[in-house]
Amino acid sequence: NAGVMQNPRHLVRRRGQEARLRCSPMKGHSHVYWYRQLPEEGLKFMVYLQKENIIDESGMPKERFSAEFPKEGPSILRIQQVVRGDSAAYFCASSRSVGLGDYEQYFGPGTRLTVT
Amino acid sequence: GENVEQHPSTLSVQEGDSAVIKCTYSDSASNYFPWYKQELGKRPQLIIDIRSNVGEKKDQRIAVTLNKTAKHFSLHITETQPEDSAVYFCAAPISSGSARQLTFGSGTQLTVLP
Repeated sequence: NAGVMQNPRHLVRRRGQEARLRCSPMKGHSHVYWYRQLPEEGLKFMVYLQKENIIDESGMPKERFSAEFPKEGPSILRIQQVVRGDSAAYFCASSRSVGLGDYEQYFGPGTRLTVT
Repeated sequence: GENVEQHPSTLSVQEGDSAVIKCTYSDSASNYFPWYKQELGKRPQLIIDIRSNVGEKKDQRIAVTLNKTAKHFSLHITETQPEDSAVYFCAAPISSGSARQLTFGSGTQLTVLP
């Protein structure tokens, strides 16, 4: 049973370019969460999605950031017109149905974004 | 204010000693309390969790205790080893608008000195 997968593992973008980060949840998981982590800091929640639905995007910056989890395919976190301050590790996690109390989240290996 | 508060932010112990990290939470309906370990450059990994119907759970050198009345839970690591050095995060499901999901503490950097 493959775990949560993220790609790419490392991504370098110049200022002003777009970054696309992908996340495939664990088999049987239908909930996806994105977190941002700056060096030596904690996990900052960004967005929580189910298939074709954004459940909670309270942690997403209002501009340049968007996320989706289509019916088919991975969840995608998109950052438009990247700036140096976007450089961070972006982790995706997945869980089963929280409605049944299954809150356990399993993390992917992360994508390390560097903006030059 | 913080929904999940974690203390201390850094902790150094001598190899073989015990380490204790504490978290408090605000939502009295929270019923699941996991702990994650994140080694440098790696992903956070679930190491132990506890549900609200028990007060303590142990797995070898790691234990978690829960006090629902006081709304706090703690991670206990006994006989610490250098490989226990990492950042540890607690979490609890907190209601945010229409959703309930894990909210993470700010992390504790544990250093085990040889």
